[in-house]
Order: sequence, then C-alpha cells, then structure tokens
Amino acid sequence: QSALTQPRSVSGSPGQSVTISCTGTSSDVGGYNYVSWYQQYPGKAPKLMINDVTKRPSGVPDRFSGSKSGNTASLTISGLQAEDEADYYCCSYAGRNTWVFGGGTKVTVL
Amino acid sequence: EVQLVESGGGLVQPGGSLRLSCAASRFTFSSYWMHWVRQAPGKGLVWVSRIHSDGSSTSYADSVKGRFTISRDTAKNTLYLQMNSLRVEDTAVYYCAGVDSSGWHYFDSWGQGTLVTVSS
Repeated sequence: QSALTQPRSVSGSPGQSVTISCTGTSSDVGGYNYVSWYQQYPGKAPKLMINDVTKRPSGVPDRFSGSKSGNTASLTISGLQAEDEADYYCCSYAGRNTWVFGGGTKVTVL
Repeated sequence: EVQLVESGGGLVQPGGSLRLSCAASRFTFSSYWMHWVRQAPGKGLVWVSRIHSDGSSTSYADSVKGRFTISRDTAKNTLYLQMNSLRVEDTAVYYCAGVDSSGWHYFDSWGQGTLVTVSS
C-alpha cells in the first residue's frame, strides 16, 4: 500500500493549462480504470473532481479533465483560474477492497 | 444534498481508545459504501477503512489492521470507527466519506472531519 507519486507542486498563470501526474503500479493505477481526483482547500474537506479516470461529476467545470496511460494518470486544468489554487489528490483502487491516495500536489496560480 | 457529520475526536494517550461517529442524513444510507480517510497535520490523504453498503464486508489499511474496527448502524444512519491501541502516528483529521453502491470505487460525499490527537 505505497502512496501514489505526485509532484509536490505545479504552477501556472491564469488562462494557462497545468497537468498533474499520478504514478502508481500495475497493481493499482495500471490495473484498474478506477482513478479519481480530489480538490482540497486548506481546512476544508476534499471534493471529487474526476472519477473513473475521465468522468466529471455534475457541477465540476469542464476545464478539468482526466486521462491515463499505463501506470500513470493525469489531471489537466485548462484555462487556469484563481479559484483553482488548491491541493489536488489522486486516488486509485488497489484491489482486495483497498484504496491508495497520492501524496498531493499544490497548484499555484501565479 | 448528502450530509455527513463526524464526531468523537479528541485528545487520547498512546495505547488508548476512541470511537468516532459519522451521522448521515438526506440520503439513503443503506445504499452507500462508506469509508474513513485520514489526514495527518500538513500531510496528504490516507485511506483507512471501508464497509459495504449492507455491512457484509469490511477492509482496512495495513497500518490500522487489527487495531481499528469499522461498523455501521442503518437504523441510526451512523457510521463508526472504533480505534484501539492508538499510536502517536494515528494523529490526524478523520473524514468519513461515501458513495452510492453503483460508484463503489470512489468517494463523492465527505464530512467536515474530526481531529484525533494521540499524545502523552
């Protein structure tokens, strides 16, 4: 149950795109199409942004998108806005009814 | 809108016990898979435990297996986490999270969290 690997921070100017990677193994990210992404503001509960690698829940802006290739999943924020500045966590089902999160990525809007 | 409210956190000495509760409302609790996820101060999210919508099966992270027990009371619409043999490294905000059984592999509803501090 080792944590998935995310960059500690990414940054971009308003209107730009940023991509957050999430690297796991064939036992988690690579083995299932069950990657989800969560946004968390300081002192607040996480919020689901993407499920099942690419699906966007109702109410999530379409500038958020997800993808996966092999053992690495990615979250892309297009048209970056000030309110997107937050921490982002990936999560994957890891088999045998267990889940594993990434270490989190801080997104800074310059 | 789904509402989840955790309670029961506090300060406990190493080796002690604590029971967390998560009161659910505004949705059909019996159809939801429920989880506990924790976050140590300044650190990332860590999955802790899961219980099936009907309570028939449970699972745990290796770090808490044998010490923590997840359960649910459908009549009271409440999720529990019994934490025994607590360690300093269990200090964290504990969130309950859930999802309708059709989306069992992610977490679409979260509580606000309750802080557990393990210290002498």
